[in-house]
Amino acid sequence: DQQVKQNSPSLSVQEGRISILNCDYTNSMFDYFLWYKKYPAEGPTFLISISSIKDKNEDGRFTVFLNKSAKHLSLHIVPSQPGDSAVYFCAASAKTSYDKVIFGPGTSLSVIP
Amino acid sequence: GAGVSQTPSNKVTEKGKYVELRCDPISGHTALYWYRQSLGQGPEFLIYFQGTGAADDSGLPNDRFFAVRPEGSVSTLKIQRTERGDSAVYLCASSSYGGGGYTFGSGTRLTVV
Repeated sequence: DQQVKQNSPSLSVQEGRISILNCDYTNSMFDYFLWYKKYPAEGPTFLISISSIKDKNEDGRFTVFLNKSAKHLSLHIVPSQPGDSAVYFCAASAKTSYDKVIFGPGTSLSVIP
Repeated sequence: GAGVSQTPSNKVTEKGKYVELRCDPISGHTALYWYRQSLGQGPEFLIYFQGTGAADDSGLPNDRFFAVRPEGSVSTLKIQRTERGDSAVYLCASSSYGGGGYTFGSGTRLTVV
């Protein structure tokens, strides 16, 4: 039973345009959400997070939106750059076990120059 | 070193053998995590240490898997009687404060033949 879902295995975007990566979750106990980015042969790198008390968090070109009622979050990258090409993982944890972070299967983003 | 170090980077072993995977966390990080990533999937939680003790080992798949962190820094993941299904990239991460914003190592790619 996959608690964190990323239904798009891959996404291609033109350089300079917006990339939108989507994530859905099923566990209503999740209240902290994270995005990680992974390049080949490297470990995932933490990108941005959001607590359930917020609906938006922004860090430079990266913005995460959370819709708790829909159990949906999205990562927006504006403008997209070729160096953003990587696999992006959505992840979540519950207040009862913040250190047990559950990851989605990932979305592979290709930014085309 | 500045990051999380995992050794070996690659390990090929025969079915039924015993393997040990090592993780050197960032100095001073009290929290240490092991994850496993199979092809096409996101990282799967195995175990979390706070200091020397395993705070949550609910992700270990069965009793063939065991992990230790005797002095609160380096950790070793031990797999007995390896099976072909154990083939995956084993990721280690550490954190100074917990809560998911980990720093991951590059992983150990384990192949059981």
